[in-house]
Amino acid sequence: LAKTTQPISMDSYEGQEVNITCSHNNIATNDYITWYQQFPSQGPRFIIQGYKTKVTNEVASLFIPADRKSSTLSLPRVSLSDTAVYYCLVARYSGAGSYQLTFGKGTKLSVIP
Amino acid sequence: EAQVTQNPRYLITVTGKKLTVTCSQNMNHEYMSWYRQDPGLGLRQIYYSMNVEVTDKGDVPEGYKVSRKEKRNFPLILESPSPNQTSLYFCASSLGPSISGANVLTFGAGSRLTVL
Repeated sequence: LAKTTQPISMDSYEGQEVNITCSHNNIATNDYITWYQQFPSQGPRFIIQGYKTKVTNEVASLFIPADRKSSTLSLPRVSLSDTAVYYCLVARYSGAGSYQLTFGKGTKLSVIP
Repeated sequence: EAQVTQNPRYLITVTGKKLTVTCSQNMNHEYMSWYRQDPGLGLRQIYYSMNVEVTDKGDVPEGYKVSRKEKRNFPLILESPSPNQTSLYFCASSLGPSISGANVLTFGAGSRLTVL
């Protein structure tokens, strides 16, 4: 079973870049890494996924070092609306067409005016 | 609109009274799964299904059952609910079958269950 560790909380001022790191020391060769955002009273929402190196979309960037034992979600110039809980997810193929999805416990990001 | 629909959104019940939380998706996704969310514990997977008639246990399956008779529906069944099953439950689906598709999940809005 994949294991993930994230900081419980982070604070940031508006306009700053925020980096949230997830540790997944026992990641396997074919595991994928994904990040989700969750606002209160809503289900999590997909942000970005990657396998290695760097991935960027219109919302965020994801950095994965060569050993893949961690990943960093980068949010450029955060605003108050980015206040949310952020989860990393490791997806592992468990054979016979099945996948195990293991979420971290989430990082609560608070953006301060 | 592409979505995952859960019902009921809120439910208060008593110990031992069987209940079912329904989940339906309109995206023709192959992969569906259930999670519970508890303070300090994050999201934990209960059961998942790669396709019709194919289900498997997640991290916390005890006390729950599921079925996948149709591709769009994946109900969660609590045969004899207990207070420790009081939680916020989420259903999710994804395209599958490749791993890069399986982990891009669309979540429902959640079902808050209280067992007295």
